[in-house]
Amino acid sequence: SQQGEEDPQALSIQEGENATMNCSYKTSINNLQWYRQNSGRGLVHLILIRSNEREKHSGRLRVTLDTSKKSSSLLITASRAADTASYFCATGSGGSNYKLTFGKGTLLTVNP
Amino acid sequence: ETGVTQSPTHLIKTRGQQVTLRCSSQSGHNTVSWYQQALGQGPQFIFQYYREEENGRGNFPPRFSGLQFPNYSSELNVNALELDDSALYLCASSAGLATDTQYFGPGTRLTVL
Repeated sequence: SQQGEEDPQALSIQEGENATMNCSYKTSINNLQWYRQNSGRGLVHLILIRSNEREKHSGRLRVTLDTSKKSSSLLITASRAADTASYFCATGSGGSNYKLTFGKGTLLTVNP
Repeated sequence: ETGVTQSPTHLIKTRGQQVTLRCSSQSGHNTVSWYQQALGQGPQFIFQYYREEENGRGNFPPRFSGLQFPNYSSELNVNALELDDSALYLCASSAGLATDTQYFGPGTRLTVL
């Protein structure tokens, strides 16, 4: 079963604009991670935020986590055509330290 | 590039056959996890191996089995293939049991006809 649900399912923007994707989850977590996937290939780890953190930055990426609302957002600033990909959130849960539970993903298209 | 490799890249099998997929983990990683990703879905956890022992398993039937070798490489075996087994199979290696960063390979695309 899916733990995280990304919103929107698809997002189309122009190069240079910001892209915001949201993720909601159901159970308590140890951490939440965002991954990128190009054209149905392997996943690339973007950023990890722990349950006691509220915001984290990495380059053009900004992730927030609200554990009271069980939600997270990923902001990509100044988007580029190369950012076109599917983005997934994944949660690591307290009782299941061995696995990541993924949502269905957001397909981001950045038009040049 | 994560340093995790998988083989083969693509595979076509017929219903009822058996398949073995292979994964080499990143140097220094002793934990390998396998995921199944159906088209349009997020990856689903199959199982994890830590130091050659199965450490946890998702909601997959026993015909999905695995191995981890002393060099920490791993195999995923699927018996009695069904059409719904068609998917991208991803392995991920990590430095330990916690769900901190997992490094994914490029995947094996399995098509069952």
